[in-house]
Amino acid sequence: GESVGLHLPTLSVQEGDNSIINCAYSNSASDYFIWYKQESGKGPQFIIDIRSNMDKRQGQRVTVLLNKTVKHLSLQIAATQPGDSAVYFCARLGGYGGSQGNLIFGKGTKLSVKP
Amino acid sequence: GAGVSQTPSNKVTEKGKYVELRCDPISGHTALYWYRQSLGQGPEFLIYFQGTGAADDSGLPNDRFFAVRPEGSVSTLKIQRTERGDSAVYLCASSPGTSVWDTQYFGPGTRLTVL
Repeated sequence: GESVGLHLPTLSVQEGDNSIINCAYSNSASDYFIWYKQESGKGPQFIIDIRSNMDKRQGQRVTVLLNKTVKHLSLQIAATQPGDSAVYFCARLGGYGGSQGNLIFGKGTKLSVKP
Repeated sequence: GAGVSQTPSNKVTEKGKYVELRCDPISGHTALYWYRQSLGQGPEFLIYFQGTGAADDSGLPNDRFFAVRPEGSVSTLKIQRTERGDSAVYLCASSPGTSVWDTQYFGPGTRLTVL
């Protein structure tokens, strides 16, 4: 079946360093990807999204890169802060070519920021 | 403004009992989603409402699970004859409903424990 997965389950970085969280997907028809941040005891919080007609999109301290050739996307967090400590999920829209509104999530990467 | 709210925040029940979980979406959002999140996993889609109708209930695991949204706002997820395997965090999300690419905003979830 379709899946969205992550390369690494945990990532530990020093405060102030840049963080890179990776995600691979299997459905070549996927055309919309979203990154969510989930802190302990809370629901997922939208960070940034990207459509398949883009290779890169930037937000505040975050950048998402999409490589459709190898079906890979990454989330880069600049100058990582303790408040960035959380589990990060990549997700895509369900259905063929993102035709359905439900989200399909990967397992998540836990980011720990050392002070 | 107010975000998505869910009640109760925690629910402990005994195997075989019936439970109801409530979701209050963001005001004006016509799309409402239910997801289930097991420990250490990403959220898994259960059901999606557009207005009062269930547009996609393909994620409901079996007929013990049912959800309603009678007035197109508040939704209730109902689980009959609960089983220990139903223990998870149940998340609700809402979006404006104008496009499948609308951002989904999640509530804090209800943690269900079946003893």
